[in-house]
Amino acid sequence: AQTVTQSQPEMSVQEAETVTLSCTYDTSESDYYLFWYKQPPSRQMILVIRQEAYKQQNATENRFSVNFQKAAKSFSLKISDSQLGDAAMYFCAYRSAFTGTASKLTFGTGTRLQVTL
Amino acid sequence: DGGITQSPKYLFRKEGQNVTLSCEQNLNHDAMYWYRQDPGQGLRLIYYSQIVNDFQKGDIAEGYSVSREKKESFPLTVTSAQKNPTAFYLCASSIAGTENTEAFFGQGTRLTVV
Repeated sequence: AQTVTQSQPEMSVQEAETVTLSCTYDTSESDYYLFWYKQPPSRQMILVIRQEAYKQQNATENRFSVNFQKAAKSFSLKISDSQLGDAAMYFCAYRSAFTGTASKLTFGTGTRLQVTL
Repeated sequence: DGGITQSPKYLFRKEGQNVTLSCEQNLNHDAMYWYRQDPGQGLRLIYYSQIVNDFQKGDIAEGYSVSREKKESFPLTVTSAQKNPTAFYLCASSIAGTENTEAFFGQGTRLTVV
């Protein structure tokens, strides 16, 4: 079974600064997908960024980028130019790429990000 | 607008009673999922369905039941056998298959046992 670990329960960043959220995972599979989801106070889960394991290039989405280290099984999220609206819970998630697994996601326990003025 | 609708937003249940949480989607997705969220534990998979009239247990299915009679609907029943049902429940849907498909989530139902 796969596991996802987020070792930072809470993080804080000043507005306009950069912050990195950590995520490690454990799997014996070679092909999979990794995601970062954001859960604001409304509790709606919003996809921030995704990474395919077979791609060496790190994914980027505007101010959000990842550092994907497959050998180390590490998948960190970097938020640049932090904004007040970035304050939320962030969840790292894993999904197998094998047939028949649908899009079942295995989540980490989350990191609460606070953005200060 | 396409999306996933969960109802009600807040639900209160007396001990010993069954209660059903509604989840409807108009995204034409084949696959649907139910997750439970507890403080400090992230989201855990309860049940999922890849096609109508078929569903599979997730990691914490005990005390829950589901049905999938229509593509659009995937209701979750929390039975009296669930010992600790107070939690936040999230429904999700996605295109079935092995591609890098995004899971879309509803806004959740907060269930409290009183």
